[in-house]
Amino acid sequence: QVQLQQSGPGLVKPSQTLSLTCVISGDSVSSNSAAWNWIRQSPSRGLEWLGRTYYRSKWYNGYAVSVQSRITINPDTSKNQFSLQLNSVTPEDTAVYYCARDVDRTDAFDIWGRGTMVTVSS
Amino acid sequence: QSVLTQPPSVSGAPGQRVTISCTGSSSNIGARYDVHWYQQLPGTAPKLLIYRNTNRPSGVPDRFSGSKSGTSASLAITGLQAEDEADYYCQSYDSSLSAWVFGGGTKLTVL
Repeated sequence: QVQLQQSGPGLVKPSQTLSLTCVISGDSVSSNSAAWNWIRQSPSRGLEWLGRTYYRSKWYNGYAVSVQSRITINPDTSKNQFSLQLNSVTPEDTAVYYCARDVDRTDAFDIWGRGTMVTVSS
Repeated sequence: QSVLTQPPSVSGAPGQRVTISCTGSSSNIGARYDVHWYQQLPGTAPKLLIYRNTNRPSGVPDRFSGSKSGTSASLAITGLQAEDEADYYCQSYDSSLSAWVFGGGTKLTVL
């Protein structure tokens, strides 16, 4: 079955870069029928979709307007994983970060990672 | 303030039926984008419960059902069980934001 394994630091200092990785097993980051997403959850902002990467003969990315100037999501085909980088973080970026898959068949986030609690604090 | 509006809480006794509403607008649910529902147990990631308005992934009991009409959608749970106590979220796509959006969540309490 498809699984997503997240990794990355749980504490990031203000103004620095938040970096997380999501390793895929049971599917391919290069799948022509899936997209690979980052979603975060905090008490103040609820569930918030941040962005996605997907392959349809070439690579595409899409980002939420709220973080568009600070976010990068990259696929790594050699390791079958994808990553999140969020620059210039502030305490408002403190949240549980999830990676998640959506597939054309369901158009929904059908597989989720377990989540990484990231705290932005000095 | 979430783009999709859900009641903060609902409750029901074991065996009863409850519904959770999800109200959107003409740029998301009303624009015919599908609605999906997730169940989140404490300390865990959301789990897909209903996709494309009415469909259940394999393994989800048929006590859970979804519907959609106009700019709103609903999740119904029949035969309430203690294990159904969780947070429930609706989700859709919003064309004015060009983003996938979620409701604020509804906490279901089984009395």
